[in-house]
Amino acid sequence: GENVEQHPSTLSVQEGDSAVIKCTYSDSASNYFPWYKQELGKGPQLIIDIRSNVGEKKDQRIAVTLNKTAKHFSLHITETQPEDSAVYFCAAIQGRRALTFGSGTRLQVQP
Amino acid sequence: DAGVIQSPRHEVTEMGQEVTLRCKPISGHDYLFWYRQTMMRGLELLIYFNNNVPIDDSGMPEDRFSAKMPNASFSTLKIQPSEPRDSAVYFCASSPGTEQYFGPGTRLTVT
Repeated sequence: GENVEQHPSTLSVQEGDSAVIKCTYSDSASNYFPWYKQELGKGPQLIIDIRSNVGEKKDQRIAVTLNKTAKHFSLHITETQPEDSAVYFCAAIQGRRALTFGSGTRLQVQP
Repeated sequence: DAGVIQSPRHEVTEMGQEVTLRCKPISGHDYLFWYRQTMMRGLELLIYFNNNVPIDDSGMPEDRFSAKMPNASFSTLKIQPSEPRDSAVYFCASSPGTEQYFGPGTRLTVT
């Protein structure tokens, strides 16, 4: 089955700096890669996703890149704000199946 | 739309008792997923349904766990008998095909 590895496990940045979280996946058949943000006491919230036929996608301060050859994808957050502090999860999926999640990255944005 | 609705939000029960978690998916979504989140194992799939039919229950820990989806707007996850190691946050997610949207979760504590 699919295996997703995520790093770093914790990340602390100063407000206004950029943050990058990286994930690798094992199954070359995976074709959909979402990113979730989870705040304390809440469910994971889908913030951005990318499909295997696209190399990069951007939504305001958030961008995701995908390298199919290397089987890795990354989340980039620019101009970080304190409200970006949360746990971020990457995931991978093949078709309409269940997600395989990474282990999560705790992002702390220092004001 | 109100999003995925789960109840109860918190459940505390004694070992050996039956526990029933409930989920109402987003209207029109054909897929429903049950995930469990723990510190040790992260987010992991328990079971998922397509058009009310269970498709993959390979993540269900053992026979003590059962899930049903009697109609398109309701699903239950039952644990009988419950054990302390079942303590976790249980999430329900629904999907129209690929993107998955999570509910707020049920925090289960078994003493």
